Amino acid sequence: GQNIDQPTEMTATEGAIVQINCTYQTSGFNGLFWYQQHAGEAPTFLSYNVLDGLEEKGRFSSFLSRSKGYSYLLLKELQMKDSASYLCAVTRFGNEKLTFGTGTRLTIIP
Amino acid sequence: GAVVSQHPSRVICKSGTSVKIECRSLDFQATTMFWYRQFPKQSLMLMATSNEGSKATYEQGVEKDKFLINHASLTLSTLTVTSAHPEDSSFYICSAPMDTQYFGPGTRLTVL
Repeated sequence: GQNIDQPTEMTATEGAIVQINCTYQTSGFNGLFWYQQHAGEAPTFLSYNVLDGLEEKGRFSSFLSRSKGYSYLLLKELQMKDSASYLCAVTRFGNEKLTFGTGTRLTIIP
Repeated sequence: GAVVSQHPSRVICKSGTSVKIECRSLDFQATTMFWYRQFPKQSLMLMATSNEGSKATYEQGVEKDKFLINHASLTLSTLTVTSAHPEDSSFYICSAPMDTQYFGPGTRLTVL
C-alpha cells in the first residue's frame, strides 16, 4: 500500500516564507507532484520531482529526497491569494494514476 | 496547457435518482482518464481509472455497480452515480494525463 502524510493545517504571514512537508512510503516510486487547490475548485499543477534535489519555479520551489521518502514545497513572499490547500501526490512505475496525500490547508494572515 | 472540462458543474438531485457526469479532454486525446471524489476538508480519493475501449478499473472499496464509468471515445468519459443517496454528496473531479495530469473543474453533487 501507500502512505502519504502532510500536516493538516498551517498558518503563515503575508510576505514570509513557509515550508510544507510531505512524507511518503510507496513501492515503485516514480515521481511526486505538488498541486494547489482553492476551495471548490480543481487542483492546479505546481511542480513535479522525480530526481533528488530542488526544483525552483518563481516563488515556489519543491524538494525531493527519494532515500528519505520526503518532499517539501517552499513558498516565498507569501501573498493572501496563496491561502489554499496544498496536495502532494505520488505516482508509481507503470501507472499514471496519482495517489494524493492528506493535503495541507494553508492560511495566510496579514 | 491542456484543457479538461466537466459537465455539469453543479447538480442537485433527489435520493434514488441517477446522475451522469461528463469529462472531456478538449484539445488532446486521452486513452485513460481518472475519477476522484473529494469530501469537505479532505483530499482527493481516486475512485477508478477509465480506459477507452475497455472496462474501468476500480479502486478497492468503490462499488462498480453504483459508479458506472463509460469511456466512449478518446475525449469523453462519463461517470454515472446510480441510485444516489445523501452520502454520495461530494465533489467529483476527473483528470486526464498528458505531460502531467490535467484536472477538470469538478462537479458538486448534492443528493437530497
